[in-house]
Amino acid sequence: KNEVEQSPQNLTAQEGEFITINCSYSVGISALHWLQQHPGGGIVSLFMLSSGKKKHGRLIATINIQEKHSSLHITASHPRDSAVYICVGLSGSARQLTFGSGTQLTVLP
Amino acid sequence: EPEVTQTPSHQVTQMGQEVILRCVPISNHLYFYWYRQILGQKVEFLVSFYNNEISEKSEIFDDQFSVERPDGSNFTLKIRSTKLEDSAMYFCASDAPWELENTGELFFGEGSRLTVL
Repeated sequence: KNEVEQSPQNLTAQEGEFITINCSYSVGISALHWLQQHPGGGIVSLFMLSSGKKKHGRLIATINIQEKHSSLHITASHPRDSAVYICVGLSGSARQLTFGSGTQLTVLP
Repeated sequence: EPEVTQTPSHQVTQMGQEVILRCVPISNHLYFYWYRQILGQKVEFLVSFYNNEISEKSEIFDDQFSVERPDGSNFTLKIRSTKLEDSAMYFCASDAPWELENTGELFFGEGSRLTVL
């Protein structure tokens, strides 16, 4: 059974801080999505990674395939970054997705 | 910007009733998904759909659930006889084949909140 574990569950930061959210995943998962869920419930896709690193604005996602670990970094955090960040493992050509439990990020002004 | 749309945004139903949730994926996407999120819990995968058939389904997706793409645009999730524990937010998503669009981005709808009384 595929598994995805995220840490921390909750994270509170001051505006401007550098933030890291971690995700470990099991054998069988070949790629990861990072999603952002807004307080209202809507979900936005941030990145899909199968190797290396991707950057979009202040967001950086990395993946280490050998260690089966991915990180999402937010530089110069802002209160509008407050959301739940979800790591999702992708396995198989048939697109089975395994969701992590999410990290609730709160950035204080 | 292209978007996935879902209807209804909120449905209240009595236990035992049938419910159909509708989704219009992005037009050139070929993979479609349903997920659900019970209040306070993590998002759970229900089913993926490709080439007019189910490609993967989770343990949650039992005989009470079915999906279809009746007209080439809508993608529906039917719950035949709703139970109290089916109360959740149901999300639809779609994405393009990786060979055509290698961002791998998933596009989510805003969700349909189902309340079973």
